[in-house]
Amino acid sequence: KAGVTQTPRYLIKTRGQQVTLSCSPISGHRSVSWYQQTPGQGLQFLFEYFSETQRNKGNFPGRFSGRQFSNSRSEMNVSTLELGDSALYLCASRQGTGAMYEQYFGPGTRLTVT
Amino acid sequence: EDKVVQSPLSLVVHEGDTVTLNCSYEVTNFRSLLWYKQEKKAPTFLFMLTSSGIEKKSGRLSSILDKKELFSILNITATQTGDSAIYLCAVEGRRGSTLGRLYFGRGTQLTVWP
Repeated sequence: KAGVTQTPRYLIKTRGQQVTLSCSPISGHRSVSWYQQTPGQGLQFLFEYFSETQRNKGNFPGRFSGRQFSNSRSEMNVSTLELGDSALYLCASRQGTGAMYEQYFGPGTRLTVT
Repeated sequence: EDKVVQSPLSLVVHEGDTVTLNCSYEVTNFRSLLWYKQEKKAPTFLFMLTSSGIEKKSGRLSSILDKKELFSILNITATQTGDSAIYLCAVEGRRGSTLGRLYFGRGTQLTVWP
């Protein structure tokens, strides 16, 4: 079974631009969560989607948004990029909304904002 | 404010040494504590702990949870160079705004020298 895939793997953007990251969950998984990882803050929860509905949201500004499609693929969008948005963005999928140990992470998208 | 604190942030040892990684937490509506290993990009699951005093073991790795004192430790015995990685501790909530999300610590960067 294929794992969680994220595209693109690397991205360089300029301040003020916007970016869209994509996550394809493991087949059969309906829950997708997004995390931001930085050296200073570690991994921080952005949001979780289940069956196309946002189930929970972390403490990030409104510039960060996401959505989930009927095939469970998810995208997250960051508008008006700031230097501090440079990070590794990880998505994770699990079958339902049950135990977290059944959640699998993707390889991440490395975003650099210049 | 819900938070997870790991210590030390960085650790350098020689092969064969035993290490203890610490994780303390303050998360309302605690459901479980999870340990992950992150070598390159995607964190991979190691253990999930829900009950106090019950040790989870996998080969040279073991972990235990103390729900009264709100901490967990991860032990690695007879370390090998392949153990070099970031070890992440995360806590899952069970209701409200903590539901379906993981609160991560900043991680412990373990380096094992031959």
